[in-house]
Order: sequence, then C-alpha cells, then structure tokens
Amino acid sequence: DAGITQSPRHKVTETGTPVTLRCHQTENHRYMYWYRQDPGHGLRLIHYSYGVKDTDKGEVSDGYSVSRSKTEDFLLTLESATSSQTSVYFCATAPQQGATQPQHFGDGTRLSIL
Amino acid sequence: GQQLNQSPQSMFIQEGEDVSMNCTSSSIFNTWLWYKQDPGEGPVLLIALYKAGELTSNGRLTAQFGITRKDSFLNISASIPSDVGIYFCAGQALSGGSYIPTFGRGTSLIVHP
Repeated sequence: DAGITQSPRHKVTETGTPVTLRCHQTENHRYMYWYRQDPGHGLRLIHYSYGVKDTDKGEVSDGYSVSRSKTEDFLLTLESATSSQTSVYFCATAPQQGATQPQHFGDGTRLSIL
Repeated sequence: GQQLNQSPQSMFIQEGEDVSMNCTSSSIFNTWLWYKQDPGEGPVLLIALYKAGELTSNGRLTAQFGITRKDSFLNISASIPSDVGIYFCAGQALSGGSYIPTFGRGTSLIVHP
C-alpha cells in the first residue's frame, strides 16, 4: 500500500457539529482523494487535490470542504454534520494523475451522525 | 457523470468453482481497474488494464479490457474461501483535464467451503 493512515478510524457525533477527518500519506504522492462509500452506491468522489493548496470538487461535494497545507496531509471537513453524511470515508492517493496511475486506498473512517 | 453497470451484484458459490463478473459503460475509458475490498479495509488493486483488448492475469485472476473500451470482465478460477469480499471495477477517462476513476457498485462474493 502507499502508507496511508486515516484518523480517526471510527467516530460518532451529533447532527450540527463540525467534523474533520485526516488522511496522512508517507509516499510523497502528489494526488489525494476523498471518497464516501454507501451501500448500493459504491465509491463516490467528494473532493480531490492535485497539489498543496490545489483542490477540486468531485461528484458529491456539497456539505464538505477540504484543505491540503502539506503534501502528506489531506483534511476533509463537515462544517455542520447531517445524518445523510453517515458513511464510510476513504482516502486514496496516486503519484501522478493519468491513465496509468491507479489509486491506492486507506482503510477508511466509519462516521456515524446521530 | 459517467455510469458503470457492474454485475452481478452478488454471488454465492462453492469452493473450487470459477467466477465471472463484468462492468459495462456507455462511455469509453482509457483504463480499467479491478479492486477487491475485504471487510473493514480499503479497496486493494488487483489488476490494471491499459489497452483495448488487453488480457492480464494475476494468479487465479484474469481480466480483460473490452475491444470497444466500454467494458471489462474479471474471472476468478478455482475459488477459495479467502476470495470472499467485494470486487469493484473502475474506469478512468480524461475529463476536464483530469483522470478521475468512476467506480461500479461492486460485486459481493461469498464462497462456501
């Protein structure tokens, strides 16, 4: 794997609270991604980053923001969590972005919003 | 966005049987990827395909990139209990200057000893 650590691994919180998930990588990969995984939907892209301070929206970005101040860290923030954001969140990285650069995934964060 | 149809949604088989699953799309992809996800873990890349018509093996796994570039299949021969998991296909194509994979919804495989 690409040395990807997600934290926390599990979190339970209440509706309306802010939540930040962290992805840390040790491979110096340029590209980092946040996905959510829900039953029946597979993996859906939330946001991705193509360099420090460079980010872009994915398919399901509403309600989420991201930041990347260092190559190794990519943060996902839920400004005001809602129950619909209960999901398993995966971070992925890739050294370059191109047709020949598959992504490598972390082990996920299970987030429950009550 | 692009849509991938992955089938079957689930499979229940006996140990030793062969397995076949596939993904189809209305769009053309430059790359097809196959991942496996074990419970409580992230997806792990099994096979990557980069050319139309390419047939690639990884042990008991064989995958092919369809000639039309709109489909791919994964075969598992002589299944064993540790093959249990969810298998995802993903297609990559250039869109707006970025290569962002589109994932299928997964095939859940259960192998009975």
